[in-house]
Amino acid sequence: EPEVTQTPSHQVTQMGQEVILRCVPISNHLYFYWYRQILGQKVEFLVSFYNNEISEKSEIFDDQFSVERPDGSNFTLKIRSTKLEDSAMYFCASSQYRGGDTEAFFGQGTRLTVV
Amino acid sequence: AQRVTQPEKLLSVFKGAPVELKCNYSYSGSPELFWYVQYSRQRLQLLLRHISRESIKGFTADLNKGETSFHLKKPFAQEEDSAMYYCAISGGSNYKLTFGKGTLLTVNP
Repeated sequence: EPEVTQTPSHQVTQMGQEVILRCVPISNHLYFYWYRQILGQKVEFLVSFYNNEISEKSEIFDDQFSVERPDGSNFTLKIRSTKLEDSAMYFCASSQYRGGDTEAFFGQGTRLTVV
Repeated sequence: AQRVTQPEKLLSVFKGAPVELKCNYSYSGSPELFWYVQYSRQRLQLLLRHISRESIKGFTADLNKGETSFHLKKPFAQEEDSAMYYCAISGGSNYKLTFGKGTLLTVNP
């Protein structure tokens, strides 16, 4: 069964450094998402991406964040200058949305620790 | 704005007992409601959604628009049901999900 894959599974970075989190969505899916979950809190929407552009973003997704689909298969989240409060689990998801099927498939997550 | 409330952070039951995980939502339009489950060290996966009206692993959930609820139920809990359960709502053109805080279900032997 096809899966969304994320790399790395765990990333430790120093405050102020740039990080890129990578995701390979399911190949025939059209919508791509990033969510994050700070420890002990709920899963929060960051951004959705459709037709090679951001279709919606949350208040969390400020100028420090960017997304890209550089080669038609990878979907990346970049944090330009990490802060301590960016420490969280980041989930990538994709959905097909054909024929009304809106099920989102999630990756296993990348745990980002900013020190 | 869409919002999901799961009032119980933790729920503990014995094997064979009925279980109900509560979920209430607020949304101005016609939302789509989901239950996602996360077993230990595994990814979030869809358990069920209101439009399919299926029963998955013995779980059911009925959308009550009057009470704006989508409670998850199972008549006889099993130990393997122990997991984190998230209620989620989707609405609008981008199908983003808004999650509740989740309920950690523990089924004791």
